[in-house]
Amino acid sequence: GNSVTQMEGPVTLSEEAFLTINCTYTATGYPSLFWYVQYPGEGLQLLLKATKADDKGSNKGFEATYRKETTSFHLEKGSVQVSDSAVYFCALTRYGNKLVFGAGTILRVKS
Amino acid sequence: EAEVAQSPRYKITEKSQAVAFWCDPISGHATLYWYRQILGQGPELLVQFQDESVVDDSQLPKDRFSAERLKGVDSTLKIQPAELGDSAMYLCASSSLQNTYEQYFGPGTRLTVT
Repeated sequence: GNSVTQMEGPVTLSEEAFLTINCTYTATGYPSLFWYVQYPGEGLQLLLKATKADDKGSNKGFEATYRKETTSFHLEKGSVQVSDSAVYFCALTRYGNKLVFGAGTILRVKS
Repeated sequence: EAEVAQSPRYKITEKSQAVAFWCDPISGHATLYWYRQILGQGPELLVQFQDESVVDDSQLPKDRFSAERLKGVDSTLKIQPAELGDSAMYLCASSSLQNTYEQYFGPGTRLTVT
């Protein structure tokens, strides 16, 4: 079946550091890929998405590129802020139905 | 900005009791999802509705869980009887027919079973 694997956390960075959170997936065909962010006590917010190979999703300084050859969708940000501290989830969907999520990666940014 | 509403935000119940959660999706969104998120894990789909019809309930523990969306708008998820292992965050999401690839999530209901 379809699955998503994320790097384990927590990831702890200093403010203005470069961020990478790895995400790989297993799926038949060509899924759409997403990154969601969850702040403490809140629901999930869509951060960015990519619907086909080589697409780059971007939002609020975060980027991720859909790499079909490596089945990856790594999240990057050039300079993190304390306010970026949250849990980040990689997810996929086939045909716009249920989302299949990874386990999540906790990001902690220190000032 | 339209949001998905859920209530209650927090619920503490004793095992073997009944508990119910409510979700009101974004107006006009035909598809509604209930996910369960166990602490430290990603959300997993429990049930998906298209209007008032169940599309996918393959992961819903039907011996104790039930879900309904009678008029194709708001929805209720019920657990009876609750078990200790049901302690989790229950998330509701909705999407439109025009853009099924973007799901909007509510704030969730945190359930603690004692």
